[in-house]
Amino acid sequence: AQSVTQLGSHVSVSEGALVLLRCNYSSSVPPYLFWYVQYPNQGLQLLLKYTSAATLVKGINGFEAEFKKSETSFHLTKPSAHMSDAAEYFCALRGAGSYQLTFGKGTKLSVIP
Amino acid sequence: EAQVTQNPRYLITVTGKKLTVTCSQNMNHEYMSWYRQDPGLGLRQIYYSMNVEVTDKGDVPEGYKVSRKEKRNFPLILESPSPNQTSLYFCASSLAGAPNQPQHFGDGTRLSIL
Repeated sequence: AQSVTQLGSHVSVSEGALVLLRCNYSSSVPPYLFWYVQYPNQGLQLLLKYTSAATLVKGINGFEAEFKKSETSFHLTKPSAHMSDAAEYFCALRGAGSYQLTFGKGTKLSVIP
Repeated sequence: EAQVTQNPRYLITVTGKKLTVTCSQNMNHEYMSWYRQDPGLGLRQIYYSMNVEVTDKGDVPEGYKVSRKEKRNFPLILESPSPNQTSLYFCASSLAGAPNQPQHFGDGTRLSIL
């Protein structure tokens, strides 16, 4: 069975501060990992994905994530938060050989001016 | 423009009145899926389809039906809706031959069952 755990259902940062959203996973097979963002009243939009080509993955809007197999983590970071980053973020996992996407419970990011 | 289109976006209805939420994608994707999103629970998969006439249960299939008669369409059917099916629903699609490819999501359908 595969699972995704996002630490912190709600994270608040000041504008210009570092954003760090945590994601840990459990999978018995090599995983494909994704981060999605959901703005209010919208669907999910892909931020970035890890597919084993490189452990440091760069995505849209200045976000990046690092895959650490030893820590079973795929944390999302951004050096400097903008007000427009306020949204809910989901980490998701797809095991190799499977098409089922397993989501974490989400982290709501608030950016304080 | 590549997109997944869901209709309706919002629906308020009553217990027991059958309803269908439509989903259509224009990307020629084989794989399609339905999720429900509830506060504190994230997204949970209801049903998925690998191709036309091929469907399978996800994690929370009870009370739902799906069909896949055409590649582009994957409707979600609630034969006898109940209040515990009040939720935000998302349809998604992706290429089936490439599990490293992301799923594309619709804008969601907010259902309220009274």
